[in-house]
Amino acid sequence: EDQVTQSPEALRLQEGESSSLNCSYTVSGLRGLFWYRQDPGKGPEFLFTLYSAGEEKEKERLKATLTKKESFLHITAPKPEDSATYLCAVKGFGNEKLTFGTGTRLTIIP
Amino acid sequence: EAQVTQNPRYLITVTGKKLTVTCSQNMNHEYMSWYRQDPGLGLRQIYYSMNVEVTDKGDVPEGYKVSRKEKRNFPLILESPSPNQTSLYFCASTRGRGYTDTQYFGPGTRLTVL
Repeated sequence: EDQVTQSPEALRLQEGESSSLNCSYTVSGLRGLFWYRQDPGKGPEFLFTLYSAGEEKEKERLKATLTKKESFLHITAPKPEDSATYLCAVKGFGNEKLTFGTGTRLTIIP
Repeated sequence: EAQVTQNPRYLITVTGKKLTVTCSQNMNHEYMSWYRQDPGLGLRQIYYSMNVEVTDKGDVPEGYKVSRKEKRNFPLILESPSPNQTSLYFCASTRGRGYTDTQYFGPGTRLTVL
């Protein structure tokens, strides 16, 4: 059974203070690892898909990386508008289902 | 604009009163699914559909029904809601088998069962 564990559960940073969020996973054949951003009371918003170890993707202040066991979401010089819950999910072979972690709630303090 | 829509967005009901939450997508996606999100448990899949008239159980199907009569619509039915079905519900869609696309989520339906 696919499993995803995210850490930390919550993270408070000062504006401009860079950090990383962790997503550890086990899956029987990785088809894709996905990062989403979710604002309170709203649907998850797609950020990145990573397909193989060593792959990296960037979008503004966010950079996602992937190894065979985990993924990191690096946040560089964050702003208050980056405050949200960040969700990691995996999709394995032979399975259309996404298995989600419980998320990291990120708060950026001005 | 490509999107997944859900209605209603908020619903308060009483135990045992049948309800339906509608979901519609305009991207011609084959695969649609329903998730519920609860604090500390994350997003869990309730039911999914690979195409019209093809549906199957996800991880937490008890107390729910679905139907897929048209490609764009995938309603979630609670025939006899109970308080433990109070949750935030999301519909999602993606192109389907053979693709590694992400799933696109609707805005959510917050359901309270008294």
